[in-house]
Amino acid sequence: DAKTTQPTSMDCAEGRAANLPCNHSTISGNEYVYWYRQIHSQGPQYIIHGLKNNETNEMASLIITEDRKSSTLILPHATLRDTAVYYCIVTAGGTSYGKLTFGQGTILTVHP
Amino acid sequence: DAGVIQSPRHEVTEMGQEVTLRCKPISGHNSLFWYRQTMMRGLELLIYFNNNVPIDDSGMPEDRFSAKMPNASFSTLKIQPSEPRDSAVYFCASRRDSYGYTFGSGTRLTVV
Repeated sequence: DAKTTQPTSMDCAEGRAANLPCNHSTISGNEYVYWYRQIHSQGPQYIIHGLKNNETNEMASLIITEDRKSSTLILPHATLRDTAVYYCIVTAGGTSYGKLTFGQGTILTVHP
Repeated sequence: DAGVIQSPRHEVTEMGQEVTLRCKPISGHNSLFWYRQTMMRGLELLIYFNNNVPIDDSGMPEDRFSAKMPNASFSTLKIQPSEPRDSAVYFCASRRDSYGYTFGSGTRLTVV
């Protein structure tokens, strides 16, 4: 699986958009970009994933660059409950055998 | 949908004792994963199953660890004998095909 690079931590004001970057310059053609988050003491929670097109769901938007070497997770209106560790993972998720390898992630702190 | 159910939520045991962690995946999910999380090492994949068959156990730390999935609705992770360095939060996750994982709430294991 391709390696990802994320900033260690980020801050965001409540109500503003949180933009979390991820670099995955060695991504291969069949690998998806997944985002998960982990709120303190809970299991990781799936947010969104994509292959090459931008994706949006009720939680977030995922913007993938045209060369697929980086992506940005956007939380459009961050709340205090969005404070968590956010993980960007690249894996061949299109198969039944795809597995997730977690890195250190980005600690997002949303403040009032 | 009750989600992925893990038991017990907390386990405290003495060094040398056998510990069994249990997981009930979401009905219809065909892959199951066991992860371990510590402050030092983060989230580590221990083993995963697809259609009840172990696919990759390369993350299992040593022979003291074993995992089984006798049917599609139940899996166990056993540690025998347990050691203090096994203290961690153990997560179980399940998924269906290429969809995102759903994680359980975890079992916090303390070996004294």
